Amino acid sequence: EAGVTQSPRYAVLQEGQAVSFWCDPISGHDTLYWYQQPRDQGPQLLVYFRDEAVIDNSQLPSDRFSAVRPKGTNSTLKIQSAKQGDTATYLCASSFSRQGYNYAEQFFGPGTRLTVL
Amino acid sequence: GDSVTQTEGQVTVSESKSLIINCTYSTTSIAYPNLFWYVRYPGEGLQLLLKVITAGQKGSSRGFEATYNKETTSFHLQKASVQESDSAVYYCALGSLNTGANTGKLTFGHGTILRVHP
Repeated sequence: EAGVTQSPRYAVLQEGQAVSFWCDPISGHDTLYWYQQPRDQGPQLLVYFRDEAVIDNSQLPSDRFSAVRPKGTNSTLKIQSAKQGDTATYLCASSFSRQGYNYAEQFFGPGTRLTVL
Repeated sequence: GDSVTQTEGQVTVSESKSLIINCTYSTTSIAYPNLFWYVRYPGEGLQLLLKVITAGQKGSSRGFEATYNKETTSFHLQKASVQESDSAVYYCALGSLNTGANTGKLTFGHGTILRVHP
């Protein structure tokens, strides 16, 4: 069974440019998470979805970041007008949560390493 | 809010020696959160090592153990005899609660780099 896949694996931008990250979760997983992991820190949740609905986007910088999961499967995270402070690895994770989050393991993708110059 | 603290950024241990990686947590919830250890081996993605969902219980996997201590709010990771293949980055995490129910959100510590030398 394929794991969580993400693309691209690397991105290098100038400040002010836009970038999109794409995530394909494990087939059948209803919950999808996006994390930001700055260098030498742990992953920090940005947003997560249950099917196509946003459950929590309170940590997503809404002025420049957006995330969608229109059909409840794949998801796209977009940064408009990137800043140097956005330099980080962006991780996607998915889980099967219908039996409750106590029993739902999050499976992580390899991440996209973003550098903003 | 919730927070997780890992005091060591890097730990170096000789092969076959014992290991402890410290983790303490803080939560505003009156209920007890689920606790996790995740690991990232070189060249691989983040993966679950072990989890404990009941305060006072112990979790184990691949020779590692962690005991959920609600009195000291700690979840230290231990191994009696490490191997070179255990070299990786280890993250402690807490599952956030809302009105006592697990939300599915994880709060991670900063991670501890473990280097095991032969």
